[in-house]
Amino acid sequence: QVQLVESGGGVVQPGRSLRLSCAASGFTFNKHAIHWVRQAPGKGLEWVAQIWSDGINQYHADSVKGRFTFSRDNSKNTVYLQMDSLRPEDTALYYCARDGQQALPYTMDIWGQGTTVTVSS
Amino acid sequence: QSALTQPPSVSGSPGQSVTISCTGTSSDVGSYNRVSWYQQPPGTAPKLMVFEVSNRPSGVPDRFSGSKSGNTASLTISGLQAEDEADYYCNSYTSSSTFVFGTGTKVTVL
Repeated sequence: QVQLVESGGGVVQPGRSLRLSCAASGFTFNKHAIHWVRQAPGKGLEWVAQIWSDGINQYHADSVKGRFTFSRDNSKNTVYLQMDSLRPEDTALYYCARDGQQALPYTMDIWGQGTTVTVSS
Repeated sequence: QSALTQPPSVSGSPGQSVTISCTGTSSDVGSYNRVSWYQQPPGTAPKLMVFEVSNRPSGVPDRFSGSKSGNTASLTISGLQAEDEADYYCNSYTSSSTFVFGTGTKVTVL
């Protein structure tokens, strides 16, 4: 079935790095952009970034500019989120979500279950 | 990009209707019909309920309807049911080619 599975979360000290992965299955991966969305404990959803199917075009929130980088490997059906210079305020559940493309434009139509990142000394 | 503004909570009895507002600016909600709504029950991932202001994906009950006027979008749940109790978030595409979520609204079924 159509599925996204995030991995790579954990506890990390401020200033350190972490790389998250989002593995896709059940659909034509290279036809879809992928979003990253995070949710701090007890808080709302925050859109983080979108990486297009070509891996070149990408857009991100100002809150992660210069610290987070995004990439994808279409041969592995996987998207990556490299997080550097982590701050306590980056503590959150990180979701990846499929862009709905032409069928469901400007949406996130399939979501993973998320991976938890905790930034703490 | 500031979060879109939603009321923190709304409530209603079973069978009643509730409406959640989502206020943005002329750089997001006001400029595009690219507003979507997501339902998030406790402890679960969000689910797409409405896209492009007023369209429902396959499988979403027609009790859920969306609209927009100016910089404010709205989601109405008619015939409220216990299973509708959840957090709801609006989302809009922006003039910076990014996306922004609303602050979220907790819907309580009394």
